[in-house]
Amino acid sequence: DTEVTQTPKHLVMGMTNKKSLKCEQHMGHRAMYWYKQKAKKPPELMFVYSYEKLSINESVPSRFSPECPNSSLLNLHLHALQPEDSALYLCASSHVGRGARELFFGEGSRLTVL
Amino acid sequence: SQQGEEDPQALSIQEGENATMNCSYKTSINNLQWYRQNSGRGLVHLILIRSNEREKHSGRLRVTLDTSKKSSSLLITASRAADTASYFCATDNPAKNYGQNFVFGPGTRLSVLP
Repeated sequence: DTEVTQTPKHLVMGMTNKKSLKCEQHMGHRAMYWYKQKAKKPPELMFVYSYEKLSINESVPSRFSPECPNSSLLNLHLHALQPEDSALYLCASSHVGRGARELFFGEGSRLTVL
Repeated sequence: SQQGEEDPQALSIQEGENATMNCSYKTSINNLQWYRQNSGRGLVHLILIRSNEREKHSGRLRVTLDTSKKSSSLLITASRAADTASYFCATDNPAKNYGQNFVFGPGTRLSVLP
């Protein structure tokens, strides 16, 4: 199984809503990533979890709150977002270690903030 | 901040022609990877080249790496309409977060016309 599954595929929320994006993988990867991608731009790294611990936070605003409940799951909790947070949110996973690692991406969750 | 930068930003060719995309980066790397993204979808890993390698092939793909110039190129031979996508290079910085900080270049949007 070489899939990373993201839900929901599409999400529309108001600025006062609380919602969550979910990501799941069963490849035994112990690193999981959240990327944000705006239209016609490259993915930008938000968070990295390594062995279920947050290892990288790229100065992301606190209205984005990541959670890694176990080695297969990664959540991104959203609260009080702004319209400029509308984007494609991509989850990825990989093996951990200093060797070469490829990222396996999900299809993304397209978020629209009204 | 961007590590890799691709050129051209957009490339339009006829089916059967070869497509060449270039990527430049700024810091030392462990390896450089190329990814493909169909419109609005997740990224798919194409090929990885390690810092001690100069050239690598995979099917119709050929990647070169010149660490002295901090640049890489991706050649797609005998292009097909199905190759229409955005192509991104990604690099890791071994001096930062054990190379987990994968950074993507701005990408090249390739259009292959039938």
